[in-house]
Amino acid sequence: AQKITQTQPGMFVQEKEAVTLDCTYDTSDPSYGLFWYKQPSSGEMIFLIYQGSYDQQNATEGRYSLNFQKARKSANLVISASQLGDSAMYFCAMREFLTGNQFYFGTGTSLTVIP
Amino acid sequence: DAGVIQSPRHEVTEMGQEVTLRCKPISGHNSLFWYRQTMMRGLELLIYFNNNVPIDDSGMPEDRFSAKMPNASFSTLKIQPSEPRDSAVYFCASRASGHLNEQFFGPGTRLTVL
Repeated sequence: AQKITQTQPGMFVQEKEAVTLDCTYDTSDPSYGLFWYKQPSSGEMIFLIYQGSYDQQNATEGRYSLNFQKARKSANLVISASQLGDSAMYFCAMREFLTGNQFYFGTGTSLTVIP
Repeated sequence: DAGVIQSPRHEVTEMGQEVTLRCKPISGHNSLFWYRQTMMRGLELLIYFNNNVPIDDSGMPEDRFSAKMPNASFSTLKIQPSEPRDSAVYFCASRASGHLNEQFFGPGTRLTVL
């Protein structure tokens, strides 16, 4: 089974609107972390936001927030007030703390912000 | 901090040639990861090291691929002999110890095998 599933290959959003990028995960490890990375067309991978499995509140970093629903095993990324510079690939990843250092990445979602 | 350094940034080679990709992790980071990214297969973990020791190399495609980490500040990924299907972007990432620490990625090496 896939550890990380991103079901949206591509998304479009109007500039200044909010957008939600979906991510579901599969683990039996009680302790894990969820990460989102951004990959612009230039190719580098940029860390955006982190959510720990025991965190009570949803993580927020500026315009990024993580809608963490533990029972549903989902960790959706919400980008508020989209900007043209947000156009990029977005990857969801997970690390299972009890089983090691490995990160599992999803297939990514390509976001295009329309002016 | 210079971040994760990879060299070369671009490599074009002919089928059958040996290719060596290099990575210098962030100083103090004790885990190092090699990934391959293609349009068809996305981001794949090839191998990762913890304290210079290979922990999981199950993602290495075949015997043509090998990776070494002779010390805490240097790692190589070697492909010998290279094939056109090895064409991809190869990323190196490093991470400090601790539960919350994210991976920091290098800029990647774009490999083209003709």
